[in-house]
Amino acid sequence: EDKVVQSPLSLVVHEGDTVTLNCSYEVTNFRSLLWYKQEKKAPTFLFMLTSSGIEKKSGRLSSILDKKELFSILNITATQTGDSAVYLCAVYSGNTPLVFGKGTRLSVIA
Amino acid sequence: DGGITQSPKYLFRKEGQNVTLSCEQNLNHDAMYWYRQDPGQGLRLIYYSQIVNDFQKGDIAEGYSVSREKKESFPLTVTSAQKNPTAFYLCASSRGTTSYNEQFFGPGTRLTVL
Repeated sequence: EDKVVQSPLSLVVHEGDTVTLNCSYEVTNFRSLLWYKQEKKAPTFLFMLTSSGIEKKSGRLSSILDKKELFSILNITATQTGDSAVYLCAVYSGNTPLVFGKGTRLSVIA
Repeated sequence: DGGITQSPKYLFRKEGQNVTLSCEQNLNHDAMYWYRQDPGQGLRLIYYSQIVNDFQKGDIAEGYSVSREKKESFPLTVTSAQKNPTAFYLCASSRGTTSYNEQFFGPGTRLTVL
């Protein structure tokens, strides 16, 4: 059975801190890994990763994939209160369209 | 304005009633999906459709039904057979179901069974 595990499940940091969110996976026929940010309602797309070792970057957020060790990390530098959200990791395999992890709830306090 | 709309935002249902959640997209996407989200959980796939008049069960299809009569629309019916229907329901769409197609999500419907 395909599985995506995120850690930690929740995290509280102060503004300005740097955080690293983890996503490990066990899927057959891995195709790609996606990160989403979910604030109140709809998840919004952050990154799609398909190749190992190539960092994707958007402002203070960055992500990288390791296909040998089967994990990805999402880094957020200089965190702001607006970064508070649930961060979801999902993986495409050859079976179902997307398999999601349980998410990491990040709270950034001033 | 392209996007995905879901209605209603909030829905209350008595036990034993069927309810239908609406999902419409004007992105010209072929594939559409329904997910369920419970507190502290990720998204679990209920049903998905890759093309009009065709759909497949996801991981938790029991107690739910769908139809895909039009490309733009993918309504979800929560039947009385669903034992624990209180949850947040998200609809999504993508150009296809292959690995490189990002999914776009609607704003969700929060269903509460009284």
